[in-house]
Amino acid sequence: EVQLLESGGGLVQPGGSLRLSCAASGLTFSTSAMNWVRQAPGKGLEWVSFISGSGDYTFYADSVSGRFTISRDNSKNTLFLQMNSLRAEDTGVYYCAKDQRDIYCDSTHCSKAYTFDIWGQGTMVTVSS
Amino acid sequence: DIQLTQSPSSLSASVGDRVTITCRASQSISNFLNWYQHKPGKAPKLLIYAASSLQSGVPSRFSGSGSGTDFTLTISSLQPEDFATYYCQQNFRTPPTFGQGTKLEIK
Repeated sequence: EVQLLESGGGLVQPGGSLRLSCAASGLTFSTSAMNWVRQAPGKGLEWVSFISGSGDYTFYADSVSGRFTISRDNSKNTLFLQMNSLRAEDTGVYYCAKDQRDIYCDSTHCSKAYTFDIWGQGTMVTVSS
Repeated sequence: DIQLTQSPSSLSASVGDRVTITCRASQSISNFLNWYQHKPGKAPKLLIYAASSLQSGVPSRFSGSGSGTDFTLTISSLQPEDFATYYCQQNFRTPPTFGQGTKLEIK
Protein backbone atom coordinates (compact mmCIF):
# COMPACT_ATOMS: atom_id res chain seq x y z
CA GLU A 1 0.00 0.00 0.00
CA VAL A 2 1.30 3.44 -0.96
CA GLN A 3 1.62 5.75 2.04
CA LEU A 4 2.76 9.32 2.49
CA LEU A 5 3.41 10.69 5.98
CA GLU A 6 4.11 14.37 6.54
CA SER A 7 5.88 15.82 9.56
CA GLY A 8 7.59 19.00 10.68
CA GLY A 9 4.64 21.33 11.09
CA GLY A 10 4.21 23.59 14.07
CA LEU A 11 3.94 27.15 15.35
CA VAL A 12 6.44 29.67 14.02
CA GLN A 13 6.70 33.44 14.21
CA PRO A 14 6.35 35.65 11.12
CA GLY A 15 9.68 35.80 9.32
CA GLY A 16 10.70 32.41 10.69
CA SER A 17 11.54 29.14 8.98
CA LEU A 18 10.23 25.60 9.03
CA ARG A 19 11.18 22.41 7.19
CA LEU A 20 8.48 19.91 6.30
CA SER A 21 9.18 16.28 5.48
CA CYS A 22 7.11 13.64 3.70
CA ALA A 23 8.13 10.00 4.09
CA ALA A 24 6.96 7.74 1.27
CA SER A 25 6.50 3.98 1.26
CA GLY A 26 5.03 1.38 -1.07
CA LEU A 27 6.07 3.11 -4.29
CA THR A 28 9.11 3.58 -6.53
CA PHE A 29 9.91 6.98 -5.12
CA SER A 30 12.73 7.94 -7.48
CA THR A 31 10.39 7.85 -10.51
CA SER A 32 7.50 9.59 -8.78
CA ALA A 33 6.99 13.31 -9.26
CA MET A 34 5.80 14.91 -6.02
CA ASN A 35 3.95 18.04 -4.99
CA TRP A 36 3.06 20.10 -1.97
CA VAL A 37 -0.52 21.37 -1.71
CA ARG A 38 -1.86 23.47 1.16
CA GLN A 39 -5.20 24.45 2.64
CA ALA A 40 -5.61 27.62 4.69
CA PRO A 41 -8.18 27.44 7.51
CA GLY A 42 -11.68 27.52 6.06
CA LYS A 43 -10.34 27.83 2.52
CA GLY A 44 -9.85 25.58 -0.49
CA LEU A 45 -6.83 23.73 -1.83
CA GLU A 46 -3.82 25.59 -3.24
CA TRP A 47 -0.93 24.02 -5.12
CA VAL A 48 2.45 25.08 -3.72
CA SER A 49 5.28 23.27 -5.49
CA PHE A 50 6.33 20.39 -7.80
CA ILE A 51 9.49 18.34 -8.09
CA SER A 52 10.30 15.71 -10.71
CA GLY A 53 11.37 12.19 -9.76
CA SER A 54 15.04 12.93 -10.33
CA GLY A 55 14.80 16.30 -8.60
CA ASP A 56 16.06 18.07 -11.74
CA TYR A 57 12.87 20.06 -12.30
CA THR A 58 11.08 22.20 -9.73
CA PHE A 59 8.16 24.62 -10.00
CA TYR A 60 6.53 26.97 -7.50
CA ALA A 61 3.39 28.98 -7.01
CA ASP A 62 4.05 32.72 -7.31
CA SER A 63 2.93 33.15 -3.70
CA VAL A 64 5.89 31.13 -2.37
CA SER A 65 8.53 31.55 -5.09
CA GLY A 66 11.80 32.81 -3.62
CA ARG A 67 10.80 31.81 -0.08
CA PHE A 68 10.11 28.06 -0.29
CA THR A 69 12.40 25.34 -1.64
CA ILE A 70 11.26 21.84 -2.56
CA SER A 71 13.78 19.00 -2.54
CA ARG A 72 13.98 15.24 -2.17
CA ASP A 73 16.29 12.47 -0.98
CA ASN A 74 15.57 9.45 -3.14
CA SER A 75 17.91 7.28 -1.06
CA LYS A 76 15.60 7.86 1.91
CA ASN A 77 12.27 8.06 0.05
CA THR A 78 11.67 11.48 1.54
CA LEU A 79 10.34 14.77 0.18
CA PHE A 80 11.06 18.13 1.81
CA LEU A 81 9.74 21.67 1.81
CA GLN A 82 12.01 24.33 3.27
CA MET A 83 9.90 27.35 4.14
CA ASN A 84 11.62 30.67 4.89
CA SER A 85 10.36 34.20 5.53
CA LEU A 86 7.05 32.78 6.65
CA ARG A 87 3.95 34.97 6.67
CA ALA A 88 0.59 34.71 8.39
CA GLU A 89 -0.99 33.80 5.05
CA ASP A 90 1.19 30.68 4.90
CA THR A 91 -0.82 29.22 7.78
CA GLY A 92 -2.61 26.00 6.90
CA VAL A 93 -2.44 22.26 6.48
CA TYR A 94 0.32 21.18 4.11
CA TYR A 95 -0.16 17.97 2.14
CA CYS A 96 2.38 16.08 0.09
CA ALA A 97 0.85 14.51 -2.99
CA LYS A 98 2.22 12.04 -5.50
CA ASP A 99 1.77 12.88 -9.15
CA GLN A 100 0.19 10.37 -11.52
CA ARG A 101 3.35 10.25 -13.66
CA ASP A 102 6.77 11.78 -13.76
CA ILE A 103 7.67 14.77 -15.90
CA TYR A 104 8.23 14.12 -19.59
CA CYS A 105 10.50 16.44 -21.60
CA ASP A 106 11.23 16.50 -25.31
CA SER A 107 13.35 18.95 -27.25
CA THR A 108 10.82 21.78 -26.99
CA HIS A 109 8.86 21.49 -23.76
CA CYS A 110 8.16 19.52 -20.61
CA SER A 111 4.84 17.93 -19.72
CA LYS A 112 3.72 17.52 -16.12
CA ALA A 113 0.69 15.51 -15.05
CA TYR A 114 -0.37 17.62 -12.03
CA THR A 115 -2.80 14.82 -11.20
CA PHE A 116 -2.50 14.05 -7.52
CA ASP A 117 -3.34 10.38 -7.07
CA ILE A 118 -1.98 9.76 -3.55
CA TRP A 119 -2.05 12.25 -0.68
CA GLY A 120 -0.74 12.29 2.85
CA GLN A 121 -2.83 13.23 5.87
CA GLY A 122 -1.19 16.64 6.15
CA THR A 123 0.79 18.60 8.72
CA MET A 124 -0.39 21.88 10.26
CA VAL A 125 1.71 25.03 9.97
CA THR A 126 0.74 28.07 12.02
CA VAL A 127 2.50 31.38 11.47
CA SER A 128 1.68 33.73 14.32
CA SER A 129 3.33 35.94 16.89
CA ASP B 1 -3.80 31.78 -13.83
CA ILE B 2 -6.80 29.71 -14.92
CA GLN B 3 -9.79 30.27 -12.64
CA LEU B 4 -12.23 27.47 -11.87
CA THR B 5 -15.72 28.27 -10.57
CA GLN B 6 -17.77 25.50 -8.99
CA SER B 7 -21.51 25.51 -8.46
CA PRO B 8 -23.19 25.20 -6.16
CA SER B 9 -20.85 26.10 -3.27
CA SER B 10 -22.94 23.94 -0.97
CA LEU B 11 -25.61 21.34 -1.48
CA SER B 12 -27.97 19.40 0.76
CA ALA B 13 -29.08 15.99 -0.45
CA SER B 14 -30.38 12.67 0.81
CA VAL B 15 -29.02 9.15 0.58
CA GLY B 16 -30.04 7.72 -2.78
CA ASP B 17 -30.25 11.10 -4.54
CA ARG B 18 -28.56 11.83 -7.84
CA VAL B 19 -26.24 14.83 -7.49
CA THR B 20 -24.45 16.94 -10.07
CA ILE B 21 -21.69 19.47 -9.40
CA THR B 22 -20.46 21.78 -12.13
CA CYS B 23 -17.08 23.38 -12.74
CA ARG B 24 -16.46 26.18 -15.22
CA ALA B 25 -12.99 27.21 -16.39
CA SER B 26 -12.00 30.78 -17.28
CA GLN B 27 -10.55 29.51 -20.58
CA SER B 28 -10.63 26.31 -22.57
CA ILE B 29 -8.69 23.50 -20.88
CA SER B 30 -9.62 20.64 -23.23
CA ASN B 31 -10.15 17.65 -20.91
CA PHE B 32 -7.41 18.55 -18.40
CA LEU B 33 -9.74 18.46 -15.43
CA ASN B 34 -9.64 16.33 -12.27
CA TRP B 35 -12.08 15.85 -9.39
CA TYR B 36 -11.23 15.19 -5.72
CA GLN B 37 -13.19 14.29 -2.61
CA HIS B 38 -12.04 15.70 0.73
CA LYS B 39 -13.31 14.85 4.19
CA PRO B 40 -12.26 16.82 7.30
CA GLY B 41 -9.02 15.56 8.79
CA LYS B 42 -8.47 13.11 5.95
CA ALA B 43 -6.29 13.00 2.88
CA PRO B 44 -7.99 14.25 -0.29
CA LYS B 45 -8.88 11.48 -2.73
CA LEU B 46 -8.65 11.53 -6.53
CA LEU B 47 -11.99 10.47 -8.05
CA ILE B 48 -11.88 11.40 -11.73
CA TYR B 49 -8.97 12.40 -13.99
CA ALA B 50 -8.91 13.66 -17.57
CA ALA B 51 -12.50 14.84 -17.12
CA SER B 52 -14.11 11.41 -17.37
CA SER B 53 -11.68 8.64 -16.37
CA LEU B 54 -12.54 6.87 -13.12
CA GLN B 55 -9.58 6.47 -10.78
CA SER B 56 -8.86 2.87 -9.78
CA GLY B 57 -10.83 1.81 -6.71
CA VAL B 58 -13.43 4.58 -6.97
CA PRO B 59 -17.04 3.35 -7.04
CA SER B 60 -18.80 3.48 -10.40
CA ARG B 61 -21.55 5.74 -9.02
CA PHE B 62 -19.07 8.58 -9.59
CA SER B 63 -18.75 9.87 -13.15
CA GLY B 64 -17.35 12.93 -14.87
CA SER B 65 -18.02 14.63 -18.18
CA GLY B 66 -17.26 17.76 -20.15
CA SER B 67 -14.55 19.42 -22.18
CA GLY B 68 -13.44 22.93 -23.05
CA THR B 69 -14.76 25.14 -20.26
CA ASP B 70 -17.71 23.24 -18.74
CA PHE B 71 -17.47 20.08 -16.66
CA THR B 72 -19.68 18.05 -14.35
CA LEU B 73 -19.22 15.51 -11.59
CA THR B 74 -22.21 13.24 -11.04
CA ILE B 75 -22.92 10.88 -8.17
CA SER B 76 -25.68 8.58 -9.36
CA SER B 77 -26.97 7.41 -5.97
CA LEU B 78 -25.59 9.11 -2.87
CA GLN B 79 -24.20 6.90 -0.13
CA PRO B 80 -23.58 7.98 3.49
CA GLU B 81 -19.81 7.99 2.93
CA ASP B 82 -20.14 10.48 0.03
CA PHE B 83 -20.88 13.49 2.21
CA ALA B 84 -17.72 15.56 1.84
CA THR B 85 -16.30 18.56 -0.03
CA TYR B 86 -15.57 18.12 -3.72
CA TYR B 87 -12.97 20.07 -5.70
CA CYS B 88 -12.28 20.33 -9.40
CA GLN B 89 -8.69 21.04 -10.50
CA GLN B 90 -7.18 21.94 -13.86
CA ASN B 91 -3.86 20.53 -15.03
CA PHE B 92 -3.82 22.25 -18.41
CA ARG B 93 -1.33 24.92 -17.41
CA THR B 94 1.08 25.79 -14.60
CA PRO B 95 0.09 26.63 -11.93
CA PRO B 96 -2.50 23.91 -11.43
CA THR B 97 -5.52 25.51 -9.80
CA PHE B 98 -8.53 24.27 -7.85
CA GLY B 99 -12.14 25.34 -7.71
CA GLN B 100 -13.39 26.80 -4.45
CA GLY B 101 -15.07 23.55 -3.47
CA THR B 102 -18.63 22.22 -3.15
CA LYS B 103 -19.68 21.05 0.31
CA LEU B 104 -22.16 18.19 0.09
CA GLU B 105 -24.23 17.85 3.25
CA ILE B 106 -26.91 15.49 4.47
CA LYS B 107 -30.46 16.81 4.15
